[in-house]
Amino acid sequence: KAGVTQTPRYLIKTRGQQVTLSCSPISGHRSVSWYQQTPGQGLQFLFEYFSETQRNKGNFPGRFSGRQFSNSRSEMNVSTLELGDSALYLCASSFWESDSPLHFGNGTRLTVT
Amino acid sequence: GQQVMQIPQYQHVQEGEDFTTYCNSSTTLSNIQWYKQRPGGHPVFLIQLVKSGEVKKQKRLTFQFGEAKKNSSLHITATQTTDVGTYFCAGPGSQGNLIFGKGTKLSVKP
Repeated sequence: KAGVTQTPRYLIKTRGQQVTLSCSPISGHRSVSWYQQTPGQGLQFLFEYFSETQRNKGNFPGRFSGRQFSNSRSEMNVSTLELGDSALYLCASSFWESDSPLHFGNGTRLTVT
Repeated sequence: GQQVMQIPQYQHVQEGEDFTTYCNSSTTLSNIQWYKQRPGGHPVFLIQLVKSGEVKKQKRLTFQFGEAKKNSSLHITATQTTDVGTYFCAGPGSQGNLIFGKGTKLSVKP
């Protein structure tokens, strides 16, 4: 069974630009969560989608948004990039929401200059 | 807000020594999960503990869930260089998401 696939693996953007990251969950998994990982803050929850609906949202500004498609694939978008948005963005899928173990993708390393 | 704390932040051991990381939650948890992230990699699920006082073993790894379901520990016996990485605990948050501790980074000197 293929794992969680995230594209692209690496991105370099300039302040003020916007970026879209993509995530394909494990086949059959309907829940997709996004996390931001930085050395100082660790793994911080962005949002979770289940059956195309945003179920939960973390404490990030509105510049961070996401969506999920009918095939469970998900995208997250960050607009008006700031230097502090540089991080590893991890997508994780699970069969059900909340308590199910998460299966993470390799992440997208975003660098904002 | 709800917090999951881990100590220590870093641990350096000689190969063959034991290692323990501790996880504490500010609230009672329905379950706790442990993940391992190798350098340059992504978190990988290790185990989920659900019952009060539960102890589970995976080869040299022993996981324990506290009686009050607010703390947990991971103990590695006789560490090997393959154990290198960051170990995270995570518990369900009030919003339904998983809240991760900041992790314990383990380095093993051969």
